[in-house]
Amino acid sequence: AQKVTQAQTEISVVEKEDVTLDCVYETRDTTYYLFWYKQPPSGELVFLIRRNSFDEQNEISGRYSWNFQKSTSSFNFTITASQVVDSAVYFCALSFTGGGNKLTFGTGTQLKVEL
Amino acid sequence: NAGVTQTPKFRILKIGQSMTLQCTQDMNHNYMYWYRQDPGMGLKLIYYSVGAGITDKGEVPNGYNVSRSTTEDFPLRLELAAPSQTSVYFCASSYTGTSGADTQYFGPGTRLTVL
Repeated sequence: AQKVTQAQTEISVVEKEDVTLDCVYETRDTTYYLFWYKQPPSGELVFLIRRNSFDEQNEISGRYSWNFQKSTSSFNFTITASQVVDSAVYFCALSFTGGGNKLTFGTGTQLKVEL
Repeated sequence: NAGVTQTPKFRILKIGQSMTLQCTQDMNHNYMYWYRQDPGMGLKLIYYSVGAGITDKGEVPNGYNVSRSTTEDFPLRLELAAPSQTSVYFCASSYTGTSGADTQYFGPGTRLTVL
């Protein structure tokens, strides 16, 4: 069985602070995929990143960066110099090859960025 | 490309009523999914389809039915609505080939209340 844990239910930061959202996953599959989605207050789900299990390189995209570590089964997400527009719920998700490519979601982390 | 579209955006049902949530995608994706999101929770898979004419149950299928007669459409049917089905419903699609799990793109969601 697959499981995704986002232990941080809610994080509040002041604008321009850096913030890291944690994601820990469990799977028995050797080939799997990890995702981050953003859900702003408007409610839609916005895709941020996809990473496969064979690619442990960290990735940076503007103010966003992701740290994938298979040794600790973690896929953490860092926002540098946070902005009010980053306020949203962020979901980590896991899927594996076969089985319909189904996503298993974590329960999400609510990020509030205040002025 | 409109992406994934869902109708209606909002709906209030009485206990015991039935309705169909519509989902259409114009990206020629082969895989389609229905998820539900309860307050403060991640998304849970209801049903999915790997192609026209093929559907399968997800984690929480009870009380729902689906069909997939075309590549583009994947309607979700609620029979005998119950208060426990009050939720936000998201449709998603992806193109999944031999290279493995691809990114799922989500529709804007349907907020359903059963009273």
